[in-house]
Amino acid sequence: GIQVEQSPPDLILQEGANSTLRCNFSDSVNNLQWFHQNPWGQLINLFYIPSGTKQNGRLSATTVATERYSLLYISSSQTTDSGVYFCAVHLTYSGGGADGLTFGKGTHLIIQP
Amino acid sequence: DAGITQSPRHKVTETGTPVTLRCHQTENHRYMYWYRQDPGHGLRLIHYSYGVKDTDKGEVSDGYSVSRSKTEDFLLTLESATSSQTSVYFCAISESYGNYGYTFGSGTRLTVV
Repeated sequence: GIQVEQSPPDLILQEGANSTLRCNFSDSVNNLQWFHQNPWGQLINLFYIPSGTKQNGRLSATTVATERYSLLYISSSQTTDSGVYFCAVHLTYSGGGADGLTFGKGTHLIIQP
Repeated sequence: DAGITQSPRHKVTETGTPVTLRCHQTENHRYMYWYRQDPGHGLRLIHYSYGVKDTDKGEVSDGYSVSRSKTEDFLLTLESATSSQTSVYFCAISESYGNYGYTFGSGTRLTVV
């Protein structure tokens, strides 16, 4: 099946710093999403971004589908950005059987005040 | 999210007992999913539904069954709970399985003792 690798696995930053999280995937996808899981466990959809670039406030994401990677940028980090960031993908040519998104193992981000 | 609720939020049950988790949505989305989240594994797909009475297996479906008799409800049943099914269970909804964003419920923490 498709492999989704996220890096780095852990990241500790001071408030105000910028960060880049990476997601590599092993096959062609028609759906790529970034999620933030906050310390209370809630999963929040940040971006639906199978290709191109999007921005939402201090967060932006870029997916280069032809090179099979996506980047999530967080600028001017705040303590509320802490949590785990997941990349999840859906195969372009997925047939029946195991459908749905395949998740990476996440990047655990800690923002210190 | 307001459009998707999971119940119960927490449950402790004994090995060998049946357990049913409920996912309810008010968005009228066609696709619904059950995932489990475990340390070191990220989120893994258990079952998904692409319409009323239309369901299929995901990556880790052994020991689980699902039912969807109405658009708004997707039930996950553990026929005979085992300790390996101790996990956090998330339900998600989507307008389309391939190319739309997912919205997740708040999760159910299940402990099998």
